Amino acid sequence: EVQLVESGGGLVQPGRSMKLSCAASGFTFSNYGMAWVRQAPTKGLEWVATISYDGSSTYYRDSVKGRFTISRDNAKSTLYLQMNSLRSEDTATYYCTTLLGAAFAYWGQGTLVTVSS
Amino acid sequence: DIVMTQSPSSLAVSAGETVTINCKSSQSLFGSVRQKNYLAWYQQKPGQSPKLLIYLASTRESGVPDRFIGSGSGTDFTLTISSVQAEDLANYYCQQYYDTPLTFGSGTKLEIK
Repeated sequence: EVQLVESGGGLVQPGRSMKLSCAASGFTFSNYGMAWVRQAPTKGLEWVATISYDGSSTYYRDSVKGRFTISRDNAKSTLYLQMNSLRSEDTATYYCTTLLGAAFAYWGQGTLVTVSS
Repeated sequence: DIVMTQSPSSLAVSAGETVTINCKSSQSLFGSVRQKNYLAWYQQKPGQSPKLLIYLASTRESGVPDRFIGSGSGTDFTLTISSVQAEDLANYYCQQYYDTPLTFGSGTKLEIK
């Protein structure tokens, strides 16, 4: 059974940093591209970043480019999202997802990031 | 950016009825190399993570009931739910993966009368 377990969320002040992790199990992690998708409270879904199966290629939405970094450790079957210079508009539940092509096949339960002073 | 426009934003139906949700993209999602439409549908039940229902516009994900049917091509797509059940109460989102940034529709809230 595919499992994706996010961690690292919480309350953070504007301008500070936070790193999210996603522990994967139940599939061969190193064979799949991965992504982060977020959802602001009571809002819709928003793609954040994607990384290829081997970490050689990464893609970001414009609003996080230069502030967020997606990475992975295939030996640990873990996906990361380093978030710097956080803004109030980054407040959301962040989901770790596996890629099927570029559709989001499996989703974690999400971790809530609240950016507030 | 490719803009995804979903309609309606909400609807309420009785169990057993058929529901149609529409999704229109601002440019074609048809890839000429693989001859496929890069469009997915997701279901998000209250308090849960989204779940992939349909990919490549009409391919049902494993384990998804066959009452969920995806159709359409180019810029116009439809998710049809036949014989709606109480458990189908959820928000439904379309998503294009033809190009980055990957974008979602704003969602359709399905309520059961």
